[in-house]
Amino acid sequence: EPEVTQTPSHQVTQMGQEVILRCVPISNHLYFYWYRQILGQKVEFLVSFYNNEISEKSEIFDDQFSVERPDGSNFTLKIRSTKLEDSAMYFCASSQGGNYGYTFGSGTRLTVV
Amino acid sequence: QQQVKQSPQSLIVQKGGISIINCAYENTAFDYFPWYQQFPGKGPALLIAIRPDVSEKKEGRFTISFNKSAKQFSLHIMDSQPGDSATYFCAANGGSTLGRLYFGRGTQLTVWP
Repeated sequence: EPEVTQTPSHQVTQMGQEVILRCVPISNHLYFYWYRQILGQKVEFLVSFYNNEISEKSEIFDDQFSVERPDGSNFTLKIRSTKLEDSAMYFCASSQGGNYGYTFGSGTRLTVV
Repeated sequence: QQQVKQSPQSLIVQKGGISIINCAYENTAFDYFPWYQQFPGKGPALLIAIRPDVSEKKEGRFTISFNKSAKQFSLHIMDSQPGDSATYFCAANGGSTLGRLYFGRGTQLTVWP
């Protein structure tokens, strides 16, 4: 079964450093998303991306965050200057659209120290 | 504002019993209601989903009941098994499956052998 692949699985970074989280969505999917989950809490929407541009973003997705689809297969989330409160599990998801649901990746656990 | 409210926060059921998780929503524009199952260290996986034109959907041991007038929907797991022990999230979005999903806070289900 096709899957969404995320790398790395775990990243530790120092506060103020930039991080890039990488995702390879399912190949025929057109819609891409980032969500995050702080430990023990609900899954929160960050951003959706379609046709090489952001479709929607949440209030969490401020100027420190950016997304990019640098080539035909990768989808990245960049955090420019990490804060302690950015520590969370970050999930990438993709969808064909229409009446199809999302497929989530296994996540990247980001720890900011 | 919490768009989707989920209860209970945790649930313990004996093997063979019925697990019931409830969700309520506010936004009448929501028209897609998925349930996700999440195991530790993994991303949410789509379990079953319903649209408001039907009141019930069944897939194997999993059933969604939907009450449009009350703006409530629930997940029933029949003949619960230890392998069902996981965190379950209800979610909702409006207009299509392209947009952001609003997640409930999750229910941690434990099924005793």
